[in-house]
Amino acid sequence: QQQVKQSPQSLIVQKGGISIINCAYENTAFDYFPWYQQFPGKGPALLIAIRPDVSEKKEGRFTISFNKSAKQFSLHIMDSQPGDSATYFCAADGGRERALTFGSGTRLQVQP
Amino acid sequence: NAGVTQTPKFQVLKTGQSMTLQCAQDMNHNSMYWYRQDPGMGLRLIYYSASEGTTDKGEVPNGYNVSRLNKREFSLRLESAAPSQTSVYFCASRDRGGHGYTFGSGTRLTVV
Repeated sequence: QQQVKQSPQSLIVQKGGISIINCAYENTAFDYFPWYQQFPGKGPALLIAIRPDVSEKKEGRFTISFNKSAKQFSLHIMDSQPGDSATYFCAADGGRERALTFGSGTRLQVQP
Repeated sequence: NAGVTQTPKFQVLKTGQSMTLQCAQDMNHNSMYWYRQDPGMGLRLIYYSASEGTTDKGEVPNGYNVSRLNKREFSLRLESAAPSQTSVYFCASRDRGGHGYTFGSGTRLTVV
């Protein structure tokens, strides 16, 4: 039972372009929605996060858009750079286990 | 550097062998988690420990056992390894009331 659905599975963007990754959740008890960035051979690292009472959060080139009524949220990477090439995971917190539930991941490749 | 330390980094097991994956954190965090990461499936929770002395099953606990040895250490044991347990295993921790996880760098396990 996948409570957080993420798309696309992979994404290729040209340098300077916008990368967009989408996630949808089912459990309305979730109250915190982080995004993690993972480079090969490394553990995931927190990138940016949002709470459901906010519709948008921006940190540098990274923006989360949140639609509570649709139970969807997305990550936008503006001016994408080759160094952004990594796997990105959305996640949701606040479920029964009080543990993060992760999406399936998106492998982003930014071409020079 | 402070954080979450996992050992070993790589391991090859034969079917039926047993082993213990070690995890230790030095941030005085209360909660610790074990996830497995498989291609296209994101990170799935195996077991977690909300505080010292407690452990609970996650989404995929079958074939695993855990021990919260003390506040710092949380180990994952495979009693009789199976090829289906070939995966990358991540340990994570977070403080009480906090949302962000700190992940270890992972253990890449292959069962042949």
